[in-house]
Amino acid sequence: DTEVTQTPKHLVMGMTNKKSLKCEQHMGHRAMYWYKQKAKKPPELMFVYSYEKLSINESVPSRFSPECPNSSLLNLHLHALQPEDSALYLCASSQVAGTNTGELFFGEGSRLTVL
Amino acid sequence: AQSVTQLDSHVSVSEGTPVLLRCNYSSSYSPSLFWYVQHPNKGLQLLLKYTSAATLVKGINGFEAEFKKSETSFHLTKPSAHMSDAAEYFCVVSLTGANNLFFGTGTRLTVIP
Repeated sequence: DTEVTQTPKHLVMGMTNKKSLKCEQHMGHRAMYWYKQKAKKPPELMFVYSYEKLSINESVPSRFSPECPNSSLLNLHLHALQPEDSALYLCASSQVAGTNTGELFFGEGSRLTVL
Repeated sequence: AQSVTQLDSHVSVSEGTPVLLRCNYSSSYSPSLFWYVQHPNKGLQLLLKYTSAATLVKGINGFEAEFKKSETSFHLTKPSAHMSDAAEYFCVVSLTGANNLFFGTGTRLTVIP
């Protein structure tokens, strides 16, 4: 199994809603990542978890709250988002933290629209 | 500091002709370099990677890239384009032990039948 599975594929939410994005991998990877990708732009790193501990937070606003319940799961909790937060949110995993040691496996993304 | 510059935002080729997507990098230390592909509404997939072994790197789907330190380049090539190659391509640099990938701005490849 070489897949990273993200749910939901599409999400529409209002600015007062609370929702979550979910990511799952069963490759035994110990590093997991959240990226944000705006249209026609490269992905931007948001968070890195290494061995279930948050190791990088790229100055992301607190309305985005990551959670890593175990080595296979990664969540991104969303609250009080703004329309400019609309984007494709990509989850990725790698065998270990330190991306040059191997490839990142990306999910297909969750496309978020904030109204 | 490390960064990559993709010299073309859009490349258009005819099916069956060669593909060249250009990438220059800047890095203070020995970098690891990658090419990722993203098809419409999909996640990213690794095409190939350079990690200080052979300078000519072969990847999936007939793609290859050559690391040229003197030119600080890592151009992606394919001898013959296929319709299924139409996608966005990202050149990416990473440092040893780093947790982050630094993406170029992407090159959109269009393949004309």
